[in-house]
Amino acid sequence: AQTVTQSQPEMSVQEAETVTLSCTYDTSESDYYLFWYKQPPSRQMILVIRQEAYKQQNATENRFSVNFQKAAKSFSLKISDSQLGDAAMYFCAYRSEYSGGGADGLTFGKGTHLIIQP
Amino acid sequence: GAGVSQTPSNKVTEKGKYVELRCDPISGHTALYWYRQSLGQGPEFLIYFQGTGAADDSGLPNDRFFAVRPEGSVSTLKIQRTERGDSAVYLCASSLNGNSPLHFGNGTRLTVT
Repeated sequence: AQTVTQSQPEMSVQEAETVTLSCTYDTSESDYYLFWYKQPPSRQMILVIRQEAYKQQNATENRFSVNFQKAAKSFSLKISDSQLGDAAMYFCAYRSEYSGGGADGLTFGKGTHLIIQP
Repeated sequence: GAGVSQTPSNKVTEKGKYVELRCDPISGHTALYWYRQSLGQGPEFLIYFQGTGAADDSGLPNDRFFAVRPEGSVSTLKIQRTERGDSAVYLCASSLNGNSPLHFGNGTRLTVT
């Protein structure tokens, strides 16, 4: 079974600064997807960024970018120019390329609470 | 509707009671997922529907939990003989197909007293 580990329960950053959230995962598969989700107090999980494991190029979405290190099984999220609206829980998630046995669902880490200091 | 709708938003029930949680997915989305998020944890996969059938129910914790999607749209998660350990936020998500991005609802917070 796959596992996802987020070792930072909480991170704090000054507004307009850059912050990096860590994520490592364990899998024996070679094909999979990785995601970062944001969960504000509304409880809705919002997709921030997605990475296909077969792609070497790191995904980027505006102020959000990832550092995907497949050999190290590391998938960190960098948020540039942090804004007050970025404050939320951030979850790293893994999804298998295959189906069945729970593989159809996302495996989430425990999350990192991001605080933005004004 | 514009997004995934879950009702009720909050549900308080007594230990031993039966509850039903409803999920209205985005129109046209064939894939539907249920997750459970306990306090301080990430969501845990429960069940995945493709159309009307449960394609993967390996995440359901025991036989007190059951979910249906009779017409391939709305889904209901049913919990019998609720226990205090069932208290959690239950999240529903839908996607166009099994490989498309997931769209989540706001969840139902279930509290068993």
